[in-house]
Amino acid sequence: GQSLEQPSEVTAVEGAIVQINCTYQTSGFYGLSWYQQHDGGAPTFLSYNALDGLEETGRFSSFLSRSDSYGYLLLQELQMKDSASYFCAVTTDSWGKLQFGAGTQVVVTP
Amino acid sequence: DTEVTQTPKHLVMGMTNKKSLKCEQHMGHRAMYWYKQKAKKPPELMFVYSYEKLSINESVPSRFSPECPNSSLLNLHLHALQPEDSALYLCASSPPVAGEAGEQFFGPGTRLTVL
Repeated sequence: GQSLEQPSEVTAVEGAIVQINCTYQTSGFYGLSWYQQHDGGAPTFLSYNALDGLEETGRFSSFLSRSDSYGYLLLQELQMKDSASYFCAVTTDSWGKLQFGAGTQVVVTP
Repeated sequence: DTEVTQTPKHLVMGMTNKKSLKCEQHMGHRAMYWYKQKAKKPPELMFVYSYEKLSINESVPSRFSPECPNSSLLNLHLHALQPEDSALYLCASSPPVAGEAGEQFFGPGTRLTVL
C-alpha cells in the first residue's frame, strides 16, 4: 500500500523553529512537496524536492533523502500567521498525481 | 493571471438534484485536477485531466462526472449525490510537465452540502 506519515500536531512559540518530518512509502516517486492550508482556505504550495538535499525559500526550508524515504519541512522565525495545517505530498506518477499525508497542525503561541 | 477560480463558493443540493461545479485557469496549465476534502483530512484526488483528456479516474462513483471543455475550463457534474458526499471540492492546475514540478495551484474550493 501507499502511506505517508507525519506528526498530527506541533505547538511552538513565536520566533521558534519547527521541523515537520515526513516518511513515505509509495508505489512511485517523482518528488516530495509541501503544502500549507489555513482553516477555510485552499492548499498553497510551499516547496518541492525531487533530488536529495536542502531547498531554502525564505523562512521555509525542505529536505529530502530518497534513500531513507524521508523528508522534512523546517519553519524558522515562526510567526502567528504560520498557524495552519501542513501537508507533505508525494508525486507518484508523470500525470502529477499527488498522494498526501494526513497533515500536521502547527499551532503558534505568543 | 496566476489564480484558479471556482464557482460556486457554496452549494446546497438535495439528493435528486443535478448541479455542476466550475473551475477556470488562465495560466496555460495543461493538467487539471479535482480533489475532494473532508474536514481535518487531506485532499483526495478524484480526477486528472492532461491536455483535455481524462488521464486518471480514482474509482470515483459515476454520480460524479468530470468534463474538460477546453484547456482553461474544468467542470464536475453532480447527480444523485449522497449526504456523505458533502465536502470541500478543490480544483487545481499545474504546468505542462506536471510530474516534474510538484507544484499544483489550487482554487478556493466549493463547499458542497448534500441534504
